[in-house]
Amino acid sequence: DADVTQTPRNRITKTGKRIMLECSQTKGHDRMYWYRQDPGLGLRLIYYSFDVKDINKGEISDGYSVSRQAQAKFSLSLESAIPNQTALYFCATSESGTGFYNEQFFGPGTRLTVL
Amino acid sequence: QKEVEQDPGPLSVPEGAIVSLNCTYSNSAFQYFMWYRQYSRKGPELLMYTYSSGNKEDGRFTAQVDKSSKYISLFIRDSQPSDSATYLCAMGGGSNYKLTFGKGTLLTVNP
Repeated sequence: DADVTQTPRNRITKTGKRIMLECSQTKGHDRMYWYRQDPGLGLRLIYYSFDVKDINKGEISDGYSVSRQAQAKFSLSLESAIPNQTALYFCATSESGTGFYNEQFFGPGTRLTVL
Repeated sequence: QKEVEQDPGPLSVPEGAIVSLNCTYSNSAFQYFMWYRQYSRKGPELLMYTYSSGNKEDGRFTAQVDKSSKYISLFIRDSQPSDSATYLCAMGGGSNYKLTFGKGTLLTVNP
């Protein structure tokens, strides 16, 4: 079974709808991240969480919110979807601690289309 | 100037060619450097990492870092069609453990 799972894998919705993307992990990592990937723009960080009580905005958080329901679950919500939020969304996890090196493990992605 | 610059390509090479992928960066606080590989319709996976200037080799792959020039490279020797993917450089450092990614370079290795 995959260590980092995302649901749904594909979603088509309409402008103005509320959408939730879910991420679950079995790696036991404390840190979780949400990114979006757009052609020509690469991976951009939306939100990140270093533990259940710690939520931080990334570089493009406007129009998004997150919820860290448990160590293993991190959800991303689009309160009122708009077409320029059409993108590929990735969840990632990493270990915490004093390690110098921060490998992030990515889920398979959710392809979201907003019409 | 963006913190990390990476030529998006696309790059198309024949099988067996040597491939060079590059990134430049502006933030002197970056202390470790990674290359992720992303196959179509998949999430990125870590390919190599390093945190010192110089070369690090792993099979057909060599990661090179020049901190004085703020320049990193990934070389692929004897490239194979299975190497066809998008390659993203990523960098991090300091206490926040966030990574900053390049835009990715799409590589196609033709049989």
